[in-house]
Amino acid sequence: EPEVTQTPSHQVTQMGQEVILRCVPISNHLYFYWYRQILGQKVEFLVSFYNNEISEKSEIFDDQFSVERPDGSNFTLKIRSTKLEDSAMYFCASSGSSSYNEQFFGPGTRLTVL
Amino acid sequence: RKEVEQDPGPFNVPEGATVAFNCTYSNSASQSFFWYRQDCRKEPKLLMSVYSSGNEDGRFTAQLNRASQYISLLIRDSKLSDSATYLCVVNGPRGSTLGRLYFGRGTQLTVWP
Repeated sequence: EPEVTQTPSHQVTQMGQEVILRCVPISNHLYFYWYRQILGQKVEFLVSFYNNEISEKSEIFDDQFSVERPDGSNFTLKIRSTKLEDSAMYFCASSGSSSYNEQFFGPGTRLTVL
Repeated sequence: RKEVEQDPGPFNVPEGATVAFNCTYSNSASQSFFWYRQDCRKEPKLLMSVYSSGNEDGRFTAQLNRASQYISLLIRDSKLSDSATYLCVVNGPRGSTLGRLYFGRGTQLTVWP
């Protein structure tokens, strides 16, 4: 069964450093998303991406964040200057031909900012 | 404003029990509704979509009441493997958000032998 994959599974970084989280969505999906979950809190939307551009971003997704689809398979989230409060699980998700299809999530990257 | 509200539980039930979870959502224009389950420190996994007519998948039954903006999930004959957090999830209204999901905080279920 096709699945979303993410690397790395765990990233530890110093405050102020840049990190890139990588995702490979399901191959025939067209809509891509990043969500995050701070420990003990609910899953929160960050950004959606379709047709090689951002469709929507939340208030969390400020200028320190960016997304890219550098090739036909990868989808990346870059955090330019990490803060302590960026520590969270970051989930990538994808959905099929309609944005109202179910979204399938990758296993997540646990980001720890020291 | 909380987009999706759920009773956080925890619900502790014996194997074989029937348990029901409820959820309310705030945006009456929402179009798609889902239940996901999340195991500790894992990703949300789609359990089932929720349709207006109600739908069933084995031991799981989901209902949607658009007038009351209320979603429910019923689990019959609980198994130990059903222990998880159940997330009520709502999609944005058609035409305004391309697939953004709003998550509830989840309801924790523990099934004991």
